Amino acid sequence: AQSVTQLGSHVSVSEGALVLLRCNYSSSVPPYLFWYVQYPNQGLQLLLKYTSAATLVKGINGFEAEFKKSETSFHLTKPSAHMSDAAEYFCAVTDNYGQNFVFGPGTRLSVLP
Amino acid sequence: DTGVSQDPRHKITKRGQNVTFRCDPISEHNRLYWYRQTLGQGPEFLTYFQNEAQLEKSRLLSDRFSAERPKGSFSTLEIQRTEQGDSAMYLCASSPSGRATGELFFGEGSRLTVL
Repeated sequence: AQSVTQLGSHVSVSEGALVLLRCNYSSSVPPYLFWYVQYPNQGLQLLLKYTSAATLVKGINGFEAEFKKSETSFHLTKPSAHMSDAAEYFCAVTDNYGQNFVFGPGTRLSVLP
Repeated sequence: DTGVSQDPRHKITKRGQNVTFRCDPISEHNRLYWYRQTLGQGPEFLTYFQNEAQLEKSRLLSDRFSAERPKGSFSTLEIQRTEQGDSAMYLCASSPSGRATGELFFGEGSRLTVL
């Protein structure tokens, strides 16, 4: 069975500061990993995905994530936070058949002026 | 708009009533998923269709819940005899079939409030 944990249900950063959102996964097969963002009262939008190509993945809005197999991690980073980054962020894992996506509990990012 | 669409966006109902949600996936996507999301939680998997076939159901999907996808196009999720614990956002997503290099494309969700 696959699972995802996200350390920190709420993260606050100052505008312009580094954003680091943590994701650790458990999977018995090589995983495919995703980060999604959700703004209030909206569905989830894909930020980036890892599908066994490059371990450093770049996504939209300046976000990137690095797959580290030895640490079973896929942490999301952004060098400089913007007010518009305030949202809920979800890490997700699936197997290579894509039939069952498992989501983490999410991390709410607040950006302070 | 060629994205995933869900209807209605909001539904308020009284306990014991039946409700039905509709999802129209992206037209070339033959995989369709239903998830439930409660406040402050991540989406929880409910069920998954490949074309018209319902291939997987979560144990969260009690016998009061039923989902269909006739003709492999749109899907409906019906909840019978609603309970207050059913209050949640119901999310629909679609994806193309094949090996999972593709992500899920989500609709904006249908928010259910059971009074």
